[in-house]
Amino acid sequence: GAGVSQSPRYKVAKRGQDVALRCDPISGHVSLFWYQQALGQGPEFLTYFQNEAQLDKSGLPSDRFFAERPEGSVSTLKIQRTQQEDSAVYLCASSLGQSYSNQPQHFGDGTRLSIL
Amino acid sequence: KQEVTQIPAALSVPEGENLVLNCSFTDSAIYNLQWFRQDPGKGLTSLLLIQSSQREQTSGRLNASLDKSSGRSTLYIAASQPGDSATYLCAVGSNYKLTFGKGTLLTVNP
Repeated sequence: GAGVSQSPRYKVAKRGQDVALRCDPISGHVSLFWYQQALGQGPEFLTYFQNEAQLDKSGLPSDRFFAERPEGSVSTLKIQRTQQEDSAVYLCASSLGQSYSNQPQHFGDGTRLSIL
Repeated sequence: KQEVTQIPAALSVPEGENLVLNCSFTDSAIYNLQWFRQDPGKGLTSLLLIQSSQREQTSGRLNASLDKSSGRSTLYIAASQPGDSATYLCAVGSNYKLTFGKGTLLTVNP
């Protein structure tokens, strides 16, 4: 496909379980971003990858959140010991450039995570 | 810390009207500003990106302006259509990070 693909689209988990969210960026895009969007809010930055290097993880809410992009393409956001406040839509975006300056970010449809 | 505010939070207009959505930001040291559209249950679709050195960008019925010194941007939609109904998000780019507003929920009534 031509766009950013995220899976699963919906994920329901019990509190305390671990979850993994996948992002397939647009082919050839160097930069990859994860955002968290709470209901009725704008997305908030979580982390940024340039190729396989995680250059900024300052937005990750706690050490229960972990992201990786081992081969510089597909990325996985993992949340350990999930809590109810983790319920949100998790958006992945990619852009062509090495650092975000003049390139738009292209977003996937997101994964809606619900913690029971 | 950059803060982005969008006014109004919601807007309802009849089909055919021209309308303006507003975005303001607190730190003028930005790289660019991007307007997105978000349909229910969907991700974000990029509409327009304005570089910090530019004052406006146009795409079809959409025109976005940027006044960096005053920390403001507007999105102008001409001849609105029911298909324009969505949430419109403004995002300010500082290096690689995007800081978003909460969005404006637009409803265009047939």
